[in-house]
Order: sequence, then C-alpha cells, then structure tokens
Amino acid sequence: EAGVAQSPRYKIIEKRQSVAFWCNPISGHATLYWYQQILGQGPKLLIQFQNNGVVDDSQLPKDRFSAERLKGVDSTLKIQPAKLEDSAVYLCASSLTSGGRGDTQYFGPGTRLTVL
Amino acid sequence: RKEVEQDPGPFNVPEGATVAFNCTYSNSASQSFFWYRQDCRKEPKLLMSVYSSGNEDGRFTAQLNRASQYISLLIRDSKLSDSATYLCVVLTDSWGKLQFGAGTQVVVTP
Repeated sequence: EAGVAQSPRYKIIEKRQSVAFWCNPISGHATLYWYQQILGQGPKLLIQFQNNGVVDDSQLPKDRFSAERLKGVDSTLKIQPAKLEDSAVYLCASSLTSGGRGDTQYFGPGTRLTVL
Repeated sequence: RKEVEQDPGPFNVPEGATVAFNCTYSNSASQSFFWYRQDCRKEPKLLMSVYSSGNEDGRFTAQLNRASQYISLLIRDSKLSDSATYLCVVLTDSWGKLQFGAGTQVVVTP
C-alpha cells in the first residue's frame, strides 16, 4: 500500500516569498493533517481536514498560512509571505477516519523548508 | 507549562542494556496515549499505543500512571537500531488531535 506522498521534499526561499506544499494521503483516508515540526520540537498540528471540511485550524497562523483540500483527497498548504521562523519540516499525515482512539495517523516524509 | 513534557536526553545506552524514560502530560482528561518513534530526518511512526493496564510489544513496555499523569517507555535488550527519538503523544480530543512532546533521544552504542 502506498504511503502518504509529499512534495517537494526540500525548499529554500527568501523571507517574504511564498511557497506551497502538496500532500497526497493514503487512498481512502478521510482525515488529513498538516503539522509543523521545528528543529528540536515535536510536531505541532496546523490544520486538520475531515474529507474536504476543516475540523481544527486553531493553530494555523491565518494571516500567512492557508490550506485547502479540494475534493477531499489531495491537499496544499501555502505560506505567503514567509518569515524566518517558518523554517521547519512540514509533515502531512492521514488517518482512515476521524483519528479517534483506535485510528493511527500515518505520516509522509515531510517537506523541509528553509527561509533565508 | 507544556502539555506534554519529556526529558530530551540523550540517553546513551550500551547495546543489550535496558533503558526507560517518562513523559508527563498536563490534561487529566486525556484518554489515549501513544509512543511514536522518529529516526533522524525521517517522519514519526507509531511505535505503540499505551493502555491503562500497561502493555508490552516485544522488547518494548509502556506504562500509564493516570494518578501522576505520566507515561513511561522501557526498552529491553537494546539494539543499535533502537537509536531514535521517541515522541510521547497524547490524544486531546475525539477528532484525533494529537499533542506531541519534544521527544527523548536514545543512542544505543556498541
């Protein structure tokens, strides 16, 4: 079974530029998550989709970050404009249903963003 | 106070030895707990869930102490391949929101 796919794997941009990341979850998984992992920290949830609806975006910096999951499958996360503190690994994860007690989240390889 | 706190380590462990470490969580209403493993520059992967009565998976044993709000992971007969960062994870709501600790680094040496 194919895992969660993400692209690009690496991205280097200058501050104030914009960037977009793409995620393709495991086939049939209803729930998709975007996490930000800063070096030395654990992943932090940015946004959670259930099919194409947003379940939780309470920690998404909405002044610069946006995400969408059109058609309830693939998702894109965008940062515009980027700041130095956005340098991190952006992880996409998916789970079969709502991620409740017995539902495992499977992570993609991540996109490593460096903002100069 | 952080919601999930872990000793960052590193825990340097001779091959074949036993290592154990804890994590504490702040939300007493949390119901589900997990240990994820993250290799250097890789994505996190579920190692095991932590059940109320404690559970074992091969060389790995997880314990939950609700009264003191901590979770522990014990690795017996450590292998070189056990070298990784172990993330303590708490399920914070019924929609699957996970709160991750910063991780405990384990280095198994020959």
